[in-house]
Amino acid sequence: QLVQSGAEVKKPGASVKLSCKASGFTFTKYYLHWVRQAPGEGLEWVGIINLSGGATSYAQKFKGRVTMTRDTSTSTVYMELRSLKSEDTAVYYCARKSNAFDIWGQGTKVTVSS
Amino acid sequence: DIQMAQSPSSLSASVGDRVSVTCRASQDISNSLAWYQQTPGKAPRLLLYAASRLPSGVPPRFSGSGSGTEFTLTISSLQPEDYASYYCQQYYSTPETFGQGTKLEIK
Repeated sequence: QLVQSGAEVKKPGASVKLSCKASGFTFTKYYLHWVRQAPGEGLEWVGIINLSGGATSYAQKFKGRVTMTRDTSTSTVYMELRSLKSEDTAVYYCARKSNAFDIWGQGTKVTVSS
Repeated sequence: DIQMAQSPSSLSASVGDRVSVTCRASQDISNSLAWYQQTPGKAPRLLLYAASRLPSGVPPRFSGSGSGTEFTLTISSLQPEDYASYYCQQYYSTPETFGQGTKLEIK
C-alpha cells in the first residue's frame, strides 16, 4: 500500500514537500508517479520517479518547480513543489505503476491561499 | 504529448443498463490503455489495463476493447455502486495522459 502525508495549507510563493510511504512490495522494482486533481477537475499527471535508480521525468508545466526524490531505506518517496500558486490547490496522489497505476495513495490535499 | 479524448463527459443511466464510454488517442498507443473508476473523495481505482485486462477483484461486468487509437469501456449491467467518474489513461509514453473523465449518474 501507499500512505501519504497529511493535508497542507500554504501561502502563494511557498514550497510544499509531500511524502508517500510504500509497504507490502519490493520498493526498488517499480516506478512511482504523482498525479494531481484540482477541485472538481480531472486527473493531471505530474511526473515519475524510478524507485531503483532515482531517475525522474516531469510534465513540462512543472519543470523547474517540482522535484521528486526517494529514500530506499524507508521506502518513501517525496515530491516537493515550489513557488506555489493558487492554481496548485489540488489533491495530490502517488501511484505505483505495475499493470498501469495499480496501487494509489489516499491523496494529500494541498491548499494554496493567502 | 499524446492527447486522450474521452466521451461522453456525462451519462445518465438506470440500474441494469448497459453503458459504454469511448476514448480516442491522438496517436497509436497499441494496447497501453487503462481505465479507472473514482468515487467522490476517494483515490482512483484501476478497472482495466492493457485495454481489456481485468485486475483481480474487478467484477466481470466491466470490459474493455480496442487497440491503436480507439478504445471502449463497457459496463454490461449497471449496479448502484458503479455510479462514479471514469477516466481513461494512456501509458504508452510520458507524459502518461488522462482523458477528461466521464461522470456516470443515476437516471
